[in-house]
Amino acid sequence: SSELTQDPAVSVALGQTVRITCQGDSLRSYYATWHQQKPGQAPVLVIFGKNNRPSGIPARFSGSSSGNTASLTITGAQAEDEADYYCNSRDSSGNHLLFGGGTKLTVL
Amino acid sequence: QVQLVQSGSELKKPGASVKVSCKGSGYDFTGNTIIWVRQAPGQGLEWMGWINTNTGNPTYAQGFTGRFVFSLDTSVSTAYLQISSLKADDTALYYCAREAAMGVDYWGQGTLVTVSS
Repeated sequence: SSELTQDPAVSVALGQTVRITCQGDSLRSYYATWHQQKPGQAPVLVIFGKNNRPSGIPARFSGSSSGNTASLTITGAQAEDEADYYCNSRDSSGNHLLFGGGTKLTVL
Repeated sequence: QVQLVQSGSELKKPGASVKVSCKGSGYDFTGNTIIWVRQAPGQGLEWMGWINTNTGNPTYAQGFTGRFVFSLDTSVSTAYLQISSLKADDTALYYCAREAAMGVDYWGQGTLVTVSS
């Protein structure tokens, strides 16, 4: 498959837990990375590998994967987490990259 | 610390060319592939392709062949994206990013290219 599919929009109440998903056949072979993009800013890596956070990313961000689905979970969402989130992985051949269409997270 | 610094915004007329630069610092520039990503206004991220900074070999995604050229000057740790025969729908933010073993990890700040007569 040459696609990664994300829900266009998700909302969460302040302090609650939200899961953002990414589906694609290539995720059976490759981990996804997750990138946060706030308005007017470049994307920032928040999760990579099985479940790893770069330095400076809060512990409320976590990742998981099962079958053809990768998930980004924010436990105790904060107002500053309101952003677009993109998953990214190799395609099934491993020779190209894919980005999901992005999920707009609204914190209510 | 790892940084990718891109050149500034460009305003070009249709049919012109543009060259965007991406200078890496804080790491071995030839040790990681550089990818290029387009973000059209209000749209998502679209992988354009990448360039192997060790061999100089580029790979272009479907839809980014012909008018798009990736190049390098490793002596100054810089990657370039050149777009020729610009069209209005090339108007977008163009990002470079570094691909590490576990995936894309660092991004440039983006370069806005506006094509307008």
